[in-house]
Amino acid sequence: KAGVTQTPRYLIKTRGQQVTLSCSPISGHRSVSWYQQTPGQGLQFLFEYFSETQRNKGNFPGRFSGRQFSNSRSEMNVSTLELGDSALYLCASSLSRQRRVSNEQFFGPGTRLTVL
Amino acid sequence: TQLLEQSPQFLSIQEGENLTVYCNSSSVFSSLQWYRQEPGEGPVLLVTVVTGGEVKKLKRLTFQFGDARKDSSLHITAAQPGDTGLYLCAGVRDYGQNFVFGPGTRLSVLP
Repeated sequence: KAGVTQTPRYLIKTRGQQVTLSCSPISGHRSVSWYQQTPGQGLQFLFEYFSETQRNKGNFPGRFSGRQFSNSRSEMNVSTLELGDSALYLCASSLSRQRRVSNEQFFGPGTRLTVL
Repeated sequence: TQLLEQSPQFLSIQEGENLTVYCNSSSVFSSLQWYRQEPGEGPVLLVTVVTGGEVKKLKRLTFQFGDARKDSSLHITAAQPGDTGLYLCAGVRDYGQNFVFGPGTRLSVLP
């Protein structure tokens, strides 16, 4: 079974631009979560989508948004990029079986975003 | 304030030594996961624990979930250079809630 894939793997942008990152979950997984990872803050939760609906949201400004398509693929968008947005953006997929708190997350390799 | 704390933050040991890393919280978690992450890659799931007091073994790695489900430990026996990486614990308090991650323990095993 193919794992979680993220595209692109590397991206360089300048301040003020916007960027869209893509994530394809493991086949059959309905939940997709996005995380930002930086050396100073570690892994920070951005948002989770389940069946095309945002189910949870972290404490990030409105410049960070996402969506999920009917095939469970997800995109996240960051508008008006700032230098501090430079990070590894990770996507994780999960089956999210009903009422199972042990639903395991599987991560993609991440997209390394550099903002100049 | 981190919901999950990990210690130590950094650990450098010689090949063949044993080590334990800890993941602690003042909150109760319904499940907890351990991951290992290598530079430039996403975290790889090692284990999920859901029952207080549960012990799981994965070759030379032993994971334990505290009786009160507020803490966990990862013990590595006879560490090898291939064990080098960032070890992350992550917990979820209830179904439908997002996972929270600890800051990680960066392990370096020297040959």
